[in-house]
Amino acid sequence: GQSLEQPSEVTAVEGAIVQINCTYQTSGFYGLSWYQQHDGGAPTFLSYNGLDGLEETGRFSSFLSRSDSYGYLLLQELQMKDSASYFCAVRKGGANNLFFGTGTRLTVIP
Amino acid sequence: NAGVTQTPKFQVLKTGQSMTLQCAQDMNHEYMSWYRQDPGMGLRLIHYSVGAGITDQGEVPNGYNVSRSTTEDFPLRLLSAAPSQTSVYFCASTTPSGGSLGYTFGSGTRLTVV
Repeated sequence: GQSLEQPSEVTAVEGAIVQINCTYQTSGFYGLSWYQQHDGGAPTFLSYNGLDGLEETGRFSSFLSRSDSYGYLLLQELQMKDSASYFCAVRKGGANNLFFGTGTRLTVIP
Repeated sequence: NAGVTQTPKFQVLKTGQSMTLQCAQDMNHEYMSWYRQDPGMGLRLIHYSVGAGITDQGEVPNGYNVSRSTTEDFPLRLLSAAPSQTSVYFCASTTPSGGSLGYTFGSGTRLTVV
């Protein structure tokens, strides 16, 4: 099996920076993904870390430390539209399955 | 390019009824999967397929069947609906190297079993 832990809720101010942490325990670990989901919508892919280090995509960055079984998603220059749920997910080897955490609900306030 | 299409978007079933949730993708993705999402529990993997003719169980397969006769289609069958199967169901697809490219999700089917 596998387990992932992430905070259930985070609140941040528009224009600020927020970090959402994710710790995981699993066998056959290939990489860590992040998905965004707005209320009533489908999850959408944000980023993937297969190796240790930082990946940057515009205002979003994601970090992975395999030795610590830890990753985070960093959102910069927060906008109101960033209010959503964010899920970390471990990619496991073999069949390429993804297993998701329970999600962090981010609320951006003016 | 439609991506992943799920039908229906909403469905109400009575306990004991059966139904099929449809999923189709037009991206020629080999990998397809079904997830259910319940409040506070994230997405849980029900069944998955790595290619036509190949299916396997995920974390929560009980009460569900799947088949994959073509690359494009991956229907999910509820054999005898139970209230515990009330959930939002998402179909997803990706390429074999899809971890780095990400999954594409359908818009979901909101199922209520009464």
